[in-house]
Amino acid sequence: DGGITQSPKYLFRKEGQNVTLSCEQNLNHDAMYWYRQDPGQGLRLIYYSQIVNDFQKGDIAEGYSVSREKKESFPLTVTSAQKNPTAFYLCASSYRGVGKETQYFGPGTRLLVL
Amino acid sequence: EDKVVQSPLSLVVHEGDTVTLNCSYEVTNFRSLLWYKQEKKAPTFLFMLTSSGIEKKSGRLSSILDKKELSSILNITATQTGDSAIYLCAVEYGNKLVFGAGTILRVKS
Repeated sequence: DGGITQSPKYLFRKEGQNVTLSCEQNLNHDAMYWYRQDPGQGLRLIYYSQIVNDFQKGDIAEGYSVSREKKESFPLTVTSAQKNPTAFYLCASSYRGVGKETQYFGPGTRLLVL
Repeated sequence: EDKVVQSPLSLVVHEGDTVTLNCSYEVTNFRSLLWYKQEKKAPTFLFMLTSSGIEKKSGRLSSILDKKELSSILNITATQTGDSAIYLCAVEYGNKLVFGAGTILRVKS
C-alpha cells in the first residue's frame, strides 16, 4: 500500500536527550515536510525538503534538525535545545509544482517529556 | 506576516444542521487554498481551490474561494456525527503551506 508512515506512535524524552522521529513515504513524492501541532494553534512548519540532500527551515526550526539522504525518508531530530518539545508531530509529503502541492499526512507521533 | 484565520474556533450543532466554516488569509504570492479534515490523527485532504467563484463539491461538503475578499467557506449540509472533527484551512504560497488554527466541529446526535 502506498502511504506515509511515522514511528513511533508515542515517544518519551528525558531532559537533555535527543530523540529522532521517523518518516517514510513510498508515494514517490519529491517534497517532504515536518509540522508541529499544539492545541489551538493549528500546524506550524518546522522544516521542509524539496529534493534529496536539500532542506530549508520553516517557521519554528530552532531546537530541531533534519536530514534528507533518501527520497523516501525525512527523519526529524528533536534536540535538547528544544525547551518545550511536548506536541503532536506530523510528517507530510507532496509532489512539486504549481497545483500539485496537496500534502498528504502521516499518522503522527506524540512526543512527551518525562 | 503571512497568516490564515479560521472562524469560528469551535462549533456545536445537532445532526441534520447545516454549518459554514470560514477561512480568511493574508498571504503574498497566493497559489491555492486547501481544506483538510482531522479526526484523531492525520489530516485528510478535502479540497484544493485555486480559482475564485468556482464551487467544489464532494457529497455533503462544498467549498468556494473568493479571491477578492481573500477568503473561503466550507459548507457541510445535513451534518452527521461522523463529521465531528477539526477542519483545517491552509494556504499555499511559494512551496509551503501556512495553516490556520482550525475549527473544532462537534455534531450531537
